[in-house]
Amino acid sequence: DIEMTQSPSSLSAFVGDRVIITCRASENIRSYLNWYQREPGKAPKLLIFSASRLQNGVPSRFSGSGLGTDFTLTITNLQPEDFATYYCQQSYSTPRTFGPGTKVDSK
Amino acid sequence: QVHLQESGPGLVRPSESLSLTCTVSGDSMTNYYWSWIRQPPGKTLEWIGYVYETDRTTYNPSLRSRATISSDTSRKQFSLKLSSVTAADTAVYYCAREAHKLLDYWGPGTLVTVSS
Repeated sequence: DIEMTQSPSSLSAFVGDRVIITCRASENIRSYLNWYQREPGKAPKLLIFSASRLQNGVPSRFSGSGLGTDFTLTITNLQPEDFATYYCQQSYSTPRTFGPGTKVDSK
Repeated sequence: QVHLQESGPGLVRPSESLSLTCTVSGDSMTNYYWSWIRQPPGKTLEWIGYVYETDRTTYNPSLRSRATISSDTSRKQFSLKLSSVTAADTAVYYCAREAHKLLDYWGPGTLVTVSS
């Protein structure tokens, strides 16, 4: 299985901050990397697919980058509705695997 | 707009089987992979497997052949059966659609507790 790691596991930020979350795969997954946002009590929501492509309807303050094994999710101008947990997921092979999550909360 | 909704018992006894159904609305089931994913308390998301059309399935080997996913496209439903459950199978279970290697639609999730 491809192992996904994320850092940090949690962070505190102010509204308006820029937040960067990193994700690392245990082997080369090319650009088969997706990012999801999960708010408490809700299902995960797709934000970014293929490492850098913004899902329809997702605000442009979210962006992704990376290739191979190292990826980042950046949130610029953090908004109150962005306080949530973020997961990366590889779709290069099965079984699909997710990172452990990064919880973003209000400082 | 595509909607998915999980249904099934919220409590299952140890050693019995867990059965969940996901009902799809808003689109056809053809040409997509229909997935089950779970999240145990305090842990990350775990992919269980998926079904393509009615008979092509792929599972997470970690479940050691306990999982069976099936679909009924005429009823626009797909199902998960997990046998010989233990407390470790307590989780929120999600159904989701995978298209082009991304999970674009998810159900709201259903909590299944394994307890006697």
